[in-house]
Amino acid sequence: DAGVIQSPRHEVTEMGQEVTLRCKPISGHDYLFWYRQTMMRGLELLIYFNNNVPIDDSGMPEDRFSAKMPNASFSTLKIQPSEPRDSAVYFCASSLPRGQGLHNEQFFGPGTRLTVL
Amino acid sequence: AQTVTQSQPEMSVQEAETVTLSCTYDTSESDYYLFWYKQPPSRQMILVIRQEAYKQQNATENRFSVNFQKAAKSFSLKISDSQLGDAAMYFCAYSRDFGNEKLTFGTGTRLTIIP
Repeated sequence: DAGVIQSPRHEVTEMGQEVTLRCKPISGHDYLFWYRQTMMRGLELLIYFNNNVPIDDSGMPEDRFSAKMPNASFSTLKIQPSEPRDSAVYFCASSLPRGQGLHNEQFFGPGTRLTVL
Repeated sequence: AQTVTQSQPEMSVQEAETVTLSCTYDTSESDYYLFWYKQPPSRQMILVIRQEAYKQQNATENRFSVNFQKAAKSFSLKISDSQLGDAAMYFCAYSRDFGNEKLTFGTGTRLTIIP
């Protein structure tokens, strides 16, 4: 398996622009997580989905952030408008369905490094 | 809310020696999972080892082992025969067993291997 795939790997944009990050989970995984990593706040959950349904979005910073999962193999995280404080590494992770093997083990993608100027 | 604390921002060890990274956590749950993730300069998050809270036996993966003390809410990682490739940030993480599967991370420990 190719693992969790994220694109782009690097994104540089200017303040006020829309940014879309993409994630393809591992096939057969029905949990998908979006995390953000910054020096100030460390690694924190933004939102996670189960069977394409958002379960916990309490970590989404504000209305400028939105996430969707239109099908089992694709998710997006959108920031509109972007601000310099959104600069961070954004990770996508996925895990197996409950009852299947190592359910709570999350597999991470390589991350997207976002820089907002 | 669950919290994870790593009190050692940085650690260093001589190559081939043993080092222990500390982690404590706070939870009111009885069933949960604990993890150690490694993040090398490539920034890829790599699972090193996991521990189910209901298991009394400490997990072991080759040169990596944990000391899980449930009553003390302590979960330390021991790396034996340290290698240059072990140099990385190490994050301790917690996950509930039921209800919310998100990972709560500690602030990380940067491990340096001295040749």
